[in-house]
Amino acid sequence: EPEVTQTPSHQVTQMGQEVILRCVPISNHLYFYWYRQILGQKVEFLVSFYNNEISEKSEIFDDQFSVERPDGSNFTLKIRSTKLEDSAMYFCASFPALPPYNEQFFGPGTRLTVL
Amino acid sequence: AQTVTQSQPEMSVQEAETVTLSCTYDTSESNYYLFWYKQPPSRQMILVIRQEAYKQQNATENRFSVNFQKAAKSFSLKISDSQLGDTAMYFCAFMSATSGTYKYIFGTGTRLKVLA
Repeated sequence: EPEVTQTPSHQVTQMGQEVILRCVPISNHLYFYWYRQILGQKVEFLVSFYNNEISEKSEIFDDQFSVERPDGSNFTLKIRSTKLEDSAMYFCASFPALPPYNEQFFGPGTRLTVL
Repeated sequence: AQTVTQSQPEMSVQEAETVTLSCTYDTSESNYYLFWYKQPPSRQMILVIRQEAYKQQNATENRFSVNFQKAAKSFSLKISDSQLGDTAMYFCAFMSATSGTYKYIFGTGTRLKVLA
């Protein structure tokens, strides 16, 4: 069965450094998402991406964040200058928006640690 | 804006017993989906069960069933014959079918511990 993959599984970085988190969504899906989960807290929506552009972003998704789908398969989240509070689990998800599926498919997550 | 509330931060249940996790939500929409996700220590998000708002029949998946009360905006998860492997964090999630982005809004989660 197709699945969403994410790399790396764990990224450690220094405060102020740029990081790129990578995701390969399921190939025929149309919508792509990034979510964030700070340890012990709920999963929060960051951004949705459809038709090669951002369709919605949350208040968390400020100018430090950007997303790209550079080659039609990868979907990346870039954090320009990481802060300590960016330490979290980042989940990528994709959604087919076609029946019979009406749920998002989640990747295993990337744990980002900012020192 | 939609909100999802899980009022039980932690629960425990004896193995083989039944437990019910609560979830309420707030929306003005009539067409939406509700989900329960399980998050074990690996932190993978695993879909447990889904419910379409237009369906009156409560969804069931083996030992997992929901009590969907649309008028009350309530969506509880019942786990029957609890097993040690059910120990996890459980998140309730809402997805609008009309927003155009189909994003999820999650509750704060309930940590379930199954006791041997």
